[in-house]
Amino acid sequence: DAKTTQPNSMESNEEEPVHLPCNHSTISGTDYIHWYRQLPSQGPEYVIHGLTSNVNNRMASLAIAEDRKSSTLILHRATLRDAAVYYCILKREYGNKLVFGAGTILRVKS
Amino acid sequence: DVKVTQSSRYLVKRTGEKVFLECVQDMDHENMFWYRQDPGLGLRLIYFSYDVKMKEKGDIPEGYSVSREKKERFSLILESASTNQTSMYLCASSFFGRAGNTEAFFGQGTRLTVV
Repeated sequence: DAKTTQPNSMESNEEEPVHLPCNHSTISGTDYIHWYRQLPSQGPEYVIHGLTSNVNNRMASLAIAEDRKSSTLILHRATLRDAAVYYCILKREYGNKLVFGAGTILRVKS
Repeated sequence: DVKVTQSSRYLVKRTGEKVFLECVQDMDHENMFWYRQDPGLGLRLIYFSYDVKMKEKGDIPEGYSVSREKKERFSLILESASTNQTSMYLCASSFFGRAGNTEAFFGQGTRLTVV
C-alpha cells in the first residue's frame, strides 16, 4: 500500500480557513485519496475523497495536485467542533482495506 | 440514518476469558472490518470480511478470530483474553465493488479492559 505523510499537528483560529496537507509521492494511477476525521471519543467519520479533480462537499474541499503526489484538505471556516485527528488515506480502486496512518491533530482556538 | 452498532461501549474482562465483540450494520454492506486503536500506534486492521463466511487477515490478527454468519453481523473473538489486548476496538463497514470510490462507516467503538 502506498504511504501518506502528514504533519503531526496543526493549529487554527476559529472562523479561519484551515489547509491540511498530505504527501503521497508513491501514489499509483488507481489510488483514490480519502480523508477521514476522528472526533474525541468517537469512531472515524468520512470527510471527502477524490481521484484527480478537486472535490467539494458540505464538510470540506479537497485540492489535488496535478501530479497527484500531494493533496490538501480545506476546511473553509474552522469551528471548535472541527478539532479532531484528520487522516489522509490512499485506497486502491478495487481494494477493500482502509489503512490508517498517524494523521494530523487539528487544534482550533477560540 | 446509516448505522454501525457495536454491542458494548465499555467492557471489562478477566485474563483468559473468551470475549465476543459484536458489530451490526444496517446498510447491506458487503465489507466489514475490525480495527484496534492504541495511543501512539493509531488504528490497525485486525480482520476484514467481504462476504458472509469470508474473512481475510489484516495487519495484526494474532490472538483474534472472527465470525460472519450473516451479512449484517461481524463478530471479533478473543479466544483467551490477555492484558495486551486492552484497547479501543472499532468496527466499520462499506460497500464492495469499486472500493476506491466508497466510504466506510464506523461504529462508536468498544473500550475493552482486560484485567
